[in-house]
Amino acid sequence: ELQLVESGGGSVQPGGSLTLSCAVSGFSLNDYWMHWVRQVPGKGLVWVSRVNIDGRITAYSDSVKGRFTISRDSARNTLFLQMNSLRAEDSAIYYCTRTRGTTVFDFWGRGTMVSVSP
Amino acid sequence: DIVMTQSPVSLPVTPGEPASISCRSSQSLLHTDGRNYLYWYLQKAGQSPQLLISLASNRASGVPDRFSGSGSGTDFTLMISRAEADDVGVYFCMQALQAPLTFGGGTKVEIK
Repeated sequence: ELQLVESGGGSVQPGGSLTLSCAVSGFSLNDYWMHWVRQVPGKGLVWVSRVNIDGRITAYSDSVKGRFTISRDSARNTLFLQMNSLRAEDSAIYYCTRTRGTTVFDFWGRGTMVSVSP
Repeated sequence: DIVMTQSPVSLPVTPGEPASISCRSSQSLLHTDGRNYLYWYLQKAGQSPQLLISLASNRASGVPDRFSGSGSGTDFTLMISRAEADDVGVYFCMQALQAPLTFGGGTKVEIK
């Protein structure tokens, strides 16, 4: 069964750090580019970051560039998002999802909530 | 960045009746390969988004045929031929032509 399971969310103070994980099963990370997308509850979806198949090519939204780092561990079939210098505006549900060719975001995890407040 | 604009923001639908959602992009989504890189997703309450339509008009696996997508360039439409109670939720369009991938603001569909 195909699954993407995010974890690592929680409450943190501004300026703090968190590392999100996305454990995948039912498919191999080696076959997909992987992404993080976030959503303030009740609001829209915002793409955050992506990593290519071998992990060497990454991209970030302007709002997180320089603060977040995406990575992947194919041996563990796990995607990560290291988030530093967190701000209140980073508070959201973070989803991991995948793409391959023209198949874009066909499966999503259930998300993990990040809350940044004093 | 490509800006995606959806309308309406809220859409009350009558079961059995058709419904449509519009999505416009600030730039053409027509790739040189001849395909429009426009996708539709549905997010039901308390759930993560689910893919409905790829490349403007291709239904994803398992999506009922009452859903259809059309359009090209900058104007796209998602049609529900006969709305059902299970179709309630927020519908998002998204462009995948150019990084960063960007989403429309969403259309909330509810049953009258």
